[in-house]
Amino acid sequence: DGGITQSPKYLFRKEGQNVTLSCEQNLNHDAMYWYRQDPGQGLRLIYYSQIVNDFQKGDIAEGYSVSREKKESFPLTVTSAQKNPTAFYLCASLGQGRTEAFFGQGTRLTVV
Amino acid sequence: SQQGEEDPQALSIQEGENATMNCSYKTSINNLQWYRQNSGRGLVHLILIRSNEREKHSGRLRVTLDTSKKSSSLLITASRAADTASYFCATDTGNQFYFGTGTSLTVIP
Repeated sequence: DGGITQSPKYLFRKEGQNVTLSCEQNLNHDAMYWYRQDPGQGLRLIYYSQIVNDFQKGDIAEGYSVSREKKESFPLTVTSAQKNPTAFYLCASLGQGRTEAFFGQGTRLTVV
Repeated sequence: SQQGEEDPQALSIQEGENATMNCSYKTSINNLQWYRQNSGRGLVHLILIRSNEREKHSGRLRVTLDTSKKSSSLLITASRAADTASYFCATDTGNQFYFGTGTSLTVIP
């Protein structure tokens, strides 16, 4: 089955730690996106990548970093510089026709 | 921020009634899409309308697009309790893919 997988589903981070959220897709999509969603809020764009080895900042990139070494994978690192990282993180991919975004089930990150 | 805005933020209706939600956006787009999100889950695609289209139908969904006003509306007819969810518009510029703030719809049985 083709799809997009995020892991872990729940993640706890201590103050000052970096954590990495995984996003893997087997849809052969070029474009991948990371969004942050706070309770009762919309999705805000963190980073996106249109092609391997290239990525661009979205509206709220500060305190986050990404890599795109493989077409299938677009991991997001939440660094200690992100002062309020507790949120729901969603990864999505778009095919060449850009007619439909496919989403993972999300990672809920909590700072403890 | 390039994020679009939706209104109302929340909508509560009786089963069988129609639900209308609106989306406004800021930039020129290639297409606009609507998505649904059940609580704590990923988003699911509902319908796409291209920038050269004015209206699109799919089952109980009707979408309109007015590019001169940079706005779109989603109409769900004959609502059901299972339609209870959050609904988001997404605008595709061909590069960036932005979501609106969302409308939380509650359909009361």
